[in-house]
Parts: sequence; structure tokens; C-alpha cells
Amino acid sequence: QVQLQQWGAGLLKPSETLSLTCAVYGESFSYNYWTWMRQPPGKGLEWIGEINQSGSTNYNPSLKSRVTISIDTSKNQFSLKLTSVTAADTAVYYCARRPRTLTPAGVVSGRWFDPWGQGTLVTVSS
Amino acid sequence: QSALTQPRSVSGSPGQSVTISCTGTSSDVDNYNYVSWYQLHPGKAPKLIIYDVSKRPSGVPDRFSGSKSGNTASLTISGLQAEDEADYNCCSYGGRYSFYVFGTGTTVTVL
Repeated sequence: QVQLQQWGAGLLKPSETLSLTCAVYGESFSYNYWTWMRQPPGKGLEWIGEINQSGSTNYNPSLKSRVTISIDTSKNQFSLKLTSVTAADTAVYYCARRPRTLTPAGVVSGRWFDPWGQGTLVTVSS
Repeated sequence: QSALTQPRSVSGSPGQSVTISCTGTSSDVDNYNYVSWYQLHPGKAPKLIIYDVSKRPSGVPDRFSGSKSGNTASLTISGLQAEDEADYNCCSYGGRYSFYVFGTGTTVTVL
């Protein structure tokens, strides 16, 4: 059973860089996409971006200029960096898997996220 | 891209049914059969309860069902139980430029 465990700094000052890491247990990276989401206080979830084992990334256009998602296949980990944070970046950040499966017809992409990490509250305050 | 619109809250008594709507646009909900729903309990990892509009992952009770009509998707919880009290977020694929857009979130209260 796949499990995701995440960690990172929980308190940042404005203009600093947010850095979070997510470790994947119970499965190799395989064909899946590995994703970051966040939920600001009192608001809905927001998709941040994703990466696959080849390092191919997709980012939310609204965050693209500040986001970098990277992967370390040797450690079965992937990471999120968000630069120049402000109070608006205060949120619970989650990592998750977006499944993709190799079939005789090719790779089939799932358009859902499962499982998720436990979440990390990141607060940006001076 | 704009968030999908959900009611802020819905409530029901145990055993009743509640339905949560998720309204998007012709670029997301209406254009793809890739709506998923997530259950969020405070302090716990979000849980996938519906994917591809109406499919249930293994282990999700069949009292959870999903549907879609045009640009509005819906999640129905039948036979409401106390443990269903949680926040629910919908999500839709929005294509190669918008990727994934989530809903504004709905709090379900069991009276």
C-alpha cells in the first residue's frame, strides 16, 4: 500500500523560500505523476504542480514563476520549492500521487489524486 | 483559472441524503469526464471518494455517488452517517493549460 510522508519548515518570513519534501513508501515512482496541492485557511484546495520520474513537470500557471518541483528517484522523494512567499501563501500543503498505468495500449493517465500525504501547515508571517 | 463553485455548507440528519453541487465551465467540468471528489477531515490526509465523475475507489461506501450534467457535477451522500461530517472538495481536469481546478469546498454537517 502506497504511503506518502511529507515534511518541511512550518514558519517562514515574507520573501523567504518554502521548501517541502514528500517521501513515497510502498511503490517505486513508476509512471505516476507526483503532485503538490495546498489549502489556504477557509478556502478550497489549489493544485500547485506535478512531476514524473523523468523529471517532466506541469505547473499551475498562476504559480509557475515561483514554483519548482524536483524529484530524487534514488531516495523515492520529491520536493516543492516556492520562492518569494507572502502571507497569501499561508496554507496546508499536501503531496499526492496522480496515477498513470502502463497498459497494452500505452500509458493511461488517471485524473485524480490518491493517496495523499498528511499535510504540512506553512505559515508566512513577519 | 477560477475555482469551481460549491455551496459553502450543507446539512442533514442521520439517514437522510445530501447533495453537493460543483459548478464549473465549458472548459473544465462540461468538457471532460474527469471530476473527482475528496473528503477532508481536520488533521488527516484527504481521501479520494469519487473519480471520473461517478466511480468509487475500493473501500468507499456505496452511499457515496457522483454524477454530472453539463457544467455541474454533484456528489450525493445517501444514508448520512456521523462520520460523514467533513469538508468535501470537487476537482476537475481543465485541459493542458489549466490542468486541475478545485472547488471552493463544502462543509457537511450531520445534525
